Amino acid sequence: DAGITQSPRHKVTETGTPVTLRCHQTENHRYMYWYRQDPGHGLRLIHYSYGVKDTDKGEVSDGYSVSRSKTEDFLLTLESATSSQTSVYFCAISEGQGETDTQYFGPGTRLTVL
Amino acid sequence: GQNIDQPTEMTATEGAIVQINCTYQTSGFNGLFWYQQHAGEAPTFLSYNVLDGLEEKGRFSSFLSRSKGYSYLLLKELQMKDSASYLCAPMDSNYQLIWGAGTKLIIKP
Repeated sequence: DAGITQSPRHKVTETGTPVTLRCHQTENHRYMYWYRQDPGHGLRLIHYSYGVKDTDKGEVSDGYSVSRSKTEDFLLTLESATSSQTSVYFCAISEGQGETDTQYFGPGTRLTVL
Repeated sequence: GQNIDQPTEMTATEGAIVQINCTYQTSGFNGLFWYQQHAGEAPTFLSYNVLDGLEEKGRFSSFLSRSKGYSYLLLKELQMKDSASYLCAPMDSNYQLIWGAGTKLIIKP
């Protein structure tokens, strides 16, 4: 157990509404990641963070923003949700980004945008 | 471009051995991870290879050939609980994991 929680675990929302997902870790890991997982696709990186206030884009960052004001929390915001953002969202953490820094995943958030 | 290729689905019998193959093309290479993901759950780490050869960890082994861009995960003495998806993820030159769509393994009694 890598001490990662995600909230909410399930959410149904309507197109055009803002949504914020939270990832919380208890072990002070430096790196945190947001992925989405859709049927037929591998995990796709949305954004990641390498420290407080230090974030960078992944391959599918359009329509998403992130913030990390504390080491333990990494927030993912959908400014105006669309149906194409219906997905399962996973947060992950790692100690570093070197060769042997394994990523450990939170339990996921299932988001449905109607 | 970067690409991962794994079989979509495989079926095996309880107690048998199964090999799940993964071929990859990445911009640079910093090792390859295998994860297991049960339906409705998060991926969990299984193995990491950075040098060529076989790494054994109990019933699971993972092999890497960097020159061929090839890895496999070998599962022995299959149990019903091994029914899951297995995700291959090489790490590129920017230390980003490139994820395959995964192989769904079905174990039959």
